[in-house]
Amino acid sequence: AQSVTQLDSQVPVFEEAPVELRCNYSSSVSVYLFWYVQYPNQGLQLLLKYLSGSTLVKGINGFEAEFNKSQTSFHLRKPSVHISDTAEYFCAVSRIQGAQKLVFGQGTRLTINP
Amino acid sequence: NAGVTQTPKFQVLKTGQSMTLQCAQDMNHEYMSWYRQDPGMGLRLIHYSVGAGITDQGEVPNGYNVSRSTTEDFPLRLLSAAPSQTSVYFCASSPSERGWVWAQYFGPGTRLLVL
Repeated sequence: AQSVTQLDSQVPVFEEAPVELRCNYSSSVSVYLFWYVQYPNQGLQLLLKYLSGSTLVKGINGFEAEFNKSQTSFHLRKPSVHISDTAEYFCAVSRIQGAQKLVFGQGTRLTINP
Repeated sequence: NAGVTQTPKFQVLKTGQSMTLQCAQDMNHEYMSWYRQDPGMGLRLIHYSVGAGITDQGEVPNGYNVSRSTTEDFPLRLLSAAPSQTSVYFCASSPSERGWVWAQYFGPGTRLLVL
């Protein structure tokens, strides 16, 4: 079985500061990795995904994430945040074989202060 | 395309009542799923379907039933609501078992309160 741990439930940062949201996963098989964003009162939107290849993945809205197999991590980063990035962020994994079933982390609420 | 639509947006039920949460997609997607979102727990898979007539259980299926008679619709039924089912419910769809990693779409959610 797979599991995901998001190490911070809340992350407050100032506007234009860099941010890192941490995600660690556990799995005995190879996985796909995802970051989703949920803006207030909305559904989830895919930010980026790691399937294979380069370990640095770029997504929408200037976000990027790095897959580290040895540390089983997939941390999300943005060099300069904006007020509009205020949202909840979810890390998720799925098996490669017989996939589709996403396992989500608990979520990290990112709050941007002016 | 309307994408993935869910109705109702909000619902209040009394313990023991039944109801159906509706989910529809107009993208001809084969794969559809239901998740529930609870504070501090992320989203958990309830049931999923890989095509019309085919459904299977996810991580937290107890208390919920599903059916998939058409490609477009994937309703979630609560036969006897319990306070523990108070949650936000999300429906999602994707083109196929292979294509889901390229495009998975979530609906806007249904907020359910069971008293």
